[in-house]
Amino acid sequence: NAGVTQTPKFQVLKTGQSMTLQCAQDMNHNSMYWYRQDPGMGLRLIYYSASEGTTDKGEVPNGYNVSRLNKREFSLRLESAAPSQTSVYFCASSEWALPTGNTIYFGEGSWLTVV
Amino acid sequence: AQKITQTQPGMFVQEKEAVTLDCTYDTSDPSYGLFWYKQPSSGEMIFLIYQGSYDQQNATEGRYSLNFQKARKSANLVISASQLGDSAMYFCAMREGGNYQLIWGAGTKLIIKP
Repeated sequence: NAGVTQTPKFQVLKTGQSMTLQCAQDMNHNSMYWYRQDPGMGLRLIYYSASEGTTDKGEVPNGYNVSRLNKREFSLRLESAAPSQTSVYFCASSEWALPTGNTIYFGEGSWLTVV
Repeated sequence: AQKITQTQPGMFVQEKEAVTLDCTYDTSDPSYGLFWYKQPSSGEMIFLIYQGSYDQQNATEGRYSLNFQKARKSANLVISASQLGDSAMYFCAMREGGNYQLIWGAGTKLIIKP
């Protein structure tokens, strides 16, 4: 099983450019999440989608937009990239919005550098 | 205030020894869950163990156990008989009540010496 797949794995952007990180899950999960991880820190939630058709801001939403395209796919868009958005981005999914135990699955991460 | 505190930025441990990674948390919600994840150098997040606030027993998963001390608000991860492959970053995370997000600690870098 593929689980959670996110693309691209690596990307270098110039300041002001835009890009979209794609995420898809094949587990029929209802909830999906985008996190960012900065050096020496844990993950911080950018946006989440508790169920198809809904999206909500997390802890650090500024500079990002998301789209829950369908139940499988949840994309993250940087409209005008800034060096402060250099980070590793993780997509995750869970069957329901309040995961417990081994019920939240992470993608392999996307390394984004903004120069 | 930090919700999740991991006080050990790095640890060196001899192979085959047991290791305890510290995690303290802060919440006033009686319902919460605590997670431990392993992040090897390749970058993926690997779930290790979970403890719910109402669970009566400390969680165990193979070589991993969680020393849950509710009154002290600590949820330390214990790895028995450490192996070279245990070298990685380890993150403690918490989900509070009805909140969707996981709140993460800064992590502990564990290096196992042969």
